[in-house]
Amino acid sequence: AQSVTQLDSQVPVFEEAPVELRCNYSSSVSVYLFWYVQYPNQGLQLLLKYLSGSTLVKGINGFEAEFNKSQTSFHLRKPSVHISDTAEYFCAVSDRGGGTSYGKLTFGQGTILTVHP
Amino acid sequence: KAGVTQTPRYLIKTRGQQVTLSCSPISGHRSVSWYQQTPGQGLQFLFEYFSETQRNKGNFPGRFSGRQFSNSRSEMNVSTLELGDSALYLCASRQDGQDNQPQHFGDGTRLSIL
Repeated sequence: AQSVTQLDSQVPVFEEAPVELRCNYSSSVSVYLFWYVQYPNQGLQLLLKYLSGSTLVKGINGFEAEFNKSQTSFHLRKPSVHISDTAEYFCAVSDRGGGTSYGKLTFGQGTILTVHP
Repeated sequence: KAGVTQTPRYLIKTRGQQVTLSCSPISGHRSVSWYQQTPGQGLQFLFEYFSETQRNKGNFPGRFSGRQFSNSRSEMNVSTLELGDSALYLCASRQDGQDNQPQHFGDGTRLSIL
């Protein structure tokens, strides 16, 4: 079984400040890792993904994340946030093995990022 | 390329009724997954279809069912609706159904049960 823990339910930050949204996962098998963003009344939009290779991955809108296998973490960062980054962010994992895990993303509970002027 | 389209966007039903939600995946995508999103339980996986076959199912009662058509469009059905079924239902598609492909989500159907 897999689980994802997003350590902060809400993160307030001022515009142009840096931000880190924390994500830890637990899994008995190797996983793929994703970050999604959800704006009000919309679905989820993919920010970035880690499949293999370099542990630092860059995504859209200036976001990046670092995969740390030993700490089973996949924290999301942005060096300077904008008002428009205000949204809810979800960390998710999927099993590499297919089979009974086909099509299943396991999500964290979400982190609401609020950017203040 | 058009994104994932879900219809209707909003739906109001009463307890005991049944409902059918529709999802049209991105053109060329053959895998469709469904999720339920609620404030209390978060995002939970319902099921996945690939080439008209259900390959995986989450931990939901049998009242929740789905199907996929030959054009990859998918529907999910919930029978004997309960108040707790009020949620945002999201559909996502992938091209070949491989888990290293990201899922692309629609804007969801918000179902309210009175």
